[in-house]
Amino acid sequence: AQKVTQAQTEISVVEKEDVTLDCVYETRDTTYYLFWYKQPPSGELVFLIRRNSFDEQNEISGRYSWNFQKSTSSFNFTITASQVVDSAVYFCALSERWGGTSYGKLTFGQGTILTVHP
Amino acid sequence: GAVVSQHPSWVICKSGTSVKIECRSLDFQATTMFWYRQFPKQSLMLMATSNEGSKATYEQGVEKDKFLINHASLTLSTLTVTSAHPEDSSFYICSPLGTLASYEQYFGPGTRLTVT
Repeated sequence: AQKVTQAQTEISVVEKEDVTLDCVYETRDTTYYLFWYKQPPSGELVFLIRRNSFDEQNEISGRYSWNFQKSTSSFNFTITASQVVDSAVYFCALSERWGGTSYGKLTFGQGTILTVHP
Repeated sequence: GAVVSQHPSWVICKSGTSVKIECRSLDFQATTMFWYRQFPKQSLMLMATSNEGSKATYEQGVEKDKFLINHASLTLSTLTVTSAHPEDSSFYICSPLGTLASYEQYFGPGTRLTVT
């Protein structure tokens, strides 16, 4: 069965600090997709990144960076120089194969509440 | 990016009544629709999966007679919570999957249901 674990329930930092959100997953599929979403107080999920299992290159997008390590089944997310607007709940998710060839059925981690103080 | 709408964005209803939530994919066709729910301070959990024109497949523990899903067209899916009870109060989110060859997945803005 698919499983995603975000061990950090809550993280509190002061603005400009760097913060890393951990994500560990379990799957039997050899091909899968990993995601990170941000959920602000409004509730609407904001897509941050999608990574397929064959692409282990780390990615940087502005202040955001992701470290995908297949050997340890981890897909960690780092925010550099955090800002108050980064305060939200962050979810890591795993997309399993469904119907033989399709994807899209997401298993979400428990979420990490990030609070950035001024 | 694709646009997905949900209506209503929030609803308060009395126990025992039914509520219908609509999910529309505004600029792409969704052959598959996933419905998730999120209880307060919890994660998103998949409720059911439906293909256009077919019956929905429900996850374990989700009552199919209580949560009626209709995926009548490639741009509209509805979730009806029948005989709602306070424990059904939750945030319901649809996620249409496009027909494009590349894997594109989107989420609706969600519907917050409160049953009193």
